[in-house]
Formats: sequence, structure tokens, C-alpha cells
Amino acid sequence: ELKVEQNPLFLSMQEGKNYTIYCNYSTTSDRLYWYRQDPGKSLESLFVLLSNGAVKQEGRLMASLDTKARLSTLHITAAVHDLSATYFCAVDLGGSEKLVFGKGTKLTVNP
Amino acid sequence: DTEVTQTPKHLVMGMTNKKSLKCEQHMGHRAMYWYKQKAKKPPELMFVYSYEKLSINESVPSRFSPECPNSSLLNLHLHALQPEDSALYLCASSQGPHSNQPQHFGDGTRLSIL
Repeated sequence: ELKVEQNPLFLSMQEGKNYTIYCNYSTTSDRLYWYRQDPGKSLESLFVLLSNGAVKQEGRLMASLDTKARLSTLHITAAVHDLSATYFCAVDLGGSEKLVFGKGTKLTVNP
Repeated sequence: DTEVTQTPKHLVMGMTNKKSLKCEQHMGHRAMYWYKQKAKKPPELMFVYSYEKLSINESVPSRFSPECPNSSLLNLHLHALQPEDSALYLCASSQGPHSNQPQHFGDGTRLSIL
């Protein structure tokens, strides 16, 4: 059974600071996704990571994937209030249609 | 604006009612999904349709009945629901199981069972 663990589950940070969210998964997979969800809203796709060593950046967010360690990171640089949201990582069972989500990290960026 | 459209946005129903949730996408995607999301929890997969055929049913109770009339539409028929079924129901679509593209989510239907 595929298990996806995120940490921390809650993160409160000051504007301008840097931090990293971690996502570990239990079985082999070559595809990892990061999504953002604002309260009461849908999920917005942020990154798709497809291979070992993949790194993608968009604005203040950078995601990476280490398939050997079964670990993905989402790094936040110089946080701003607009980044406050819940961030989910999700992994699929290589070629299957089933996406398994981590529990999510609720990020609060304080002025 | 989301490319996956869900209606209605909100639904309140009694335990004896029958209602349907609707989902539509026009991206040419071949796979469509229903998820259930409780407050402060991640989405949980319910059903997957691939090329208009049901490919995954995650042991969902029979009071939830999915239907895929064509490649652009996905319905979820509801009957005799329980209060614990109150949740946000999300529809998603993707190019298919071997695609490297993400699933695209609709805005969801917030369902309340009285």
C-alpha cells in the first residue's frame, strides 16, 4: 500500500523567511505532484516531478524529487502572505490512475 | 477560471432525497475522477473513469453511483446519504493513466446532509 507522509503538517512563518516542506512516500513511483489549496477552494496544480533529480521553480516556490530516497521537497524562499494556503504532495502508483495524497501542510505566512 | 466545471456549487439534501452532482470538461481528457474531501483532510479517491469505463471503485458505498455519459461528462448520483457523507466533492480530469500531466480539479460541490 502506498503511503505518503508530509511534514510539517502546520507551518507558521514570518514574511521574508525561508522554509522547506518534506514529502516522503513508501513505494517506487516516478511521478510526484504538488498542489495548492486555498480555504474552501479547489486544488491548483503547482509542479509535476517526473524523474530523479527533477527540480522545478515557479516564483518563490521550488520543488525537487529524489526517487532513490523517495523524497520530495517544496522550498519556500522569502515567504509572502499570498503563499498562505494548504500544500499537498501526491504520488501515483506508476502507470495507475490512483493518486494518493499526503495529509497536507497548512502554511500561514505572518506579516 | 477552472477548466473543469462542477454543478451545483452547494447542495443541501435530506437523507431520503435523490440528487446528482455534475462535472464537465472540454480539454479532451480521457480520464475523469471523483474525490471526497472532508474538512482539513486530503482528497480521497472514490471513482475513476478511463475512456468512459469505470476503472477504479475505491469500495465506495452503493448510495453513491457514478455515471459517465460521454468523455466530457461525469455524474455522481446520490441516494439515501448519511450525515457523514457531508463533504466537498471534487471532480478532476486528466489525459489518462500514462500521461505525465497533472489532474485538473473543479471547484467542487459542497454537500450537506441533513
